[in-house]
Amino acid sequence: GDSVTQMEGPVTLSEEAFLTINCTYTATGYPSLFWYVQYPGEGLQLLLKATKADDKGSNKGFEATYRKETTSFHLEKGSVQVSDSAVYFCALRGPGAGSYQLTFGKGTKLSVIP
Amino acid sequence: DAGVIQSPRHEVTEMGQEVTLRCKPISGHNSLFWYRQTMMRGLELLIYFNNNVPIDDSGMPEDRFSAKMPNASFSTLKIQPSEPRDSAVYFCASSPTGDTKTQYFGPGTRLLVL
Repeated sequence: GDSVTQMEGPVTLSEEAFLTINCTYTATGYPSLFWYVQYPGEGLQLLLKATKADDKGSNKGFEATYRKETTSFHLEKGSVQVSDSAVYFCALRGPGAGSYQLTFGKGTKLSVIP
Repeated sequence: DAGVIQSPRHEVTEMGQEVTLRCKPISGHNSLFWYRQTMMRGLELLIYFNNNVPIDDSGMPEDRFSAKMPNASFSTLKIQPSEPRDSAVYFCASSPTGDTKTQYFGPGTRLLVL
């Protein structure tokens, strides 16, 4: 079945550091890929998405590129801020009009210190 | 537009009691999902409704759990009787008509069963 593997956390960075959170997936066909962010005490918010190979999703300075050849969707940000401290989830959804289920990774907790 | 609304935000109850969690999806969304989040298992899909009809309830842990969607603007998840292992954060999410790839999450209900 489909699966998502994220790098283990927690990740602690200083403000303005470069961020990479690795995500790889296993799925048949061409799934849609997502990054969600969960701030403390809140629900998940969609951060960015990509629906086909080589697409780049971007939002709030974060980027991720859908790499079919390496089955990856790594999240990057050039300069993190304290306000980026949260848990980040990589997720996929299978192709096809009838596909609805999101498969999530276990999440990576990011802490940014001043 | 208001996001997905869940109530209560926090619930503490004793083992054996009935618990009812409520969700109001975003207006116009025709797909609704209930998830459970725990440290051990991450995010798990419990049930998926489309046009108020349960499509996939394979994630519902056991008969103690039941979910209903009597109309397009309201859904409930009920646990009866509750057990300490049901302690988790329960999220409701909805998707717009024609775009079930993107799910919008509510803030969650944090349930503690003593």
